[in-house]
Amino acid sequence: SHVLTQPSSVSVAPGKTARITCGGDNIGSKSVHWYRQKPGQAPVLLIYYNKDRPSGIPERFSGYNSGNTATLTISRVEAGDEADYYCQVWDGNSDHFWVFGGGTKLTV
Amino acid sequence: EVQLVQSGAEVKEPGESLKIACKGSGYDFSGYWIGWVRQMPGKGLEFMGVIYPGDSDTRYSPSFQGQVSISVDTSTRTAYLQWSSLKASDSAMYYCGSGGSAAPGYFDNWGRGTQVTVSS
Repeated sequence: SHVLTQPSSVSVAPGKTARITCGGDNIGSKSVHWYRQKPGQAPVLLIYYNKDRPSGIPERFSGYNSGNTATLTISRVEAGDEADYYCQVWDGNSDHFWVFGGGTKLTV
Repeated sequence: EVQLVQSGAEVKEPGESLKIACKGSGYDFSGYWIGWVRQMPGKGLEFMGVIYPGDSDTRYSPSFQGQVSISVDTSTRTAYLQWSSLKASDSAMYYCGSGGSAAPGYFDNWGRGTQVTVSS
């Protein structure tokens, strides 16, 4: 399947933990990547290959992928984490080889 | 430091042609996939296509196949996104991103975006 389903919005209080899901048919068999996009800015890579963080991304951001759901977890949420978050999958064996989820607006 | 510098905002009329650019620096430009993403006003990210500068292998999203053309000039380290006949619905922000070497995978670096406005 080439559809990735994200909740349109998630709300969390400062200091709490936010979980943003990305659902897809057997997505656990694929590599999932996560981006953050703040208003008026370009996206930024947060997590690649399900759980790896690029240099400069805090340990508060973590990823997990299994079954039909991938999850981005943001611990100790800060006001500056308010943004849109997108999951993305690359599948070289599919016509729809690069798919973004619809995005989740995180409100702090 | 890896940088992707995109060309400036464009205002065009329907039916006109357009080519926007993304110049890479700070990395082996020929050895990494580079691609384009559309973001319509208030909407999410849409993958358009990618190109491997080393051999110009180009892959398009089915949604954009035949609608746009992606090319590259390795001598200037620049990737391009081109339209032959713009429509009002092409009005959007366009981002370029650099991906992996063996496969596009994901974009670990992004340009700041090029705003395209198509209006009569």
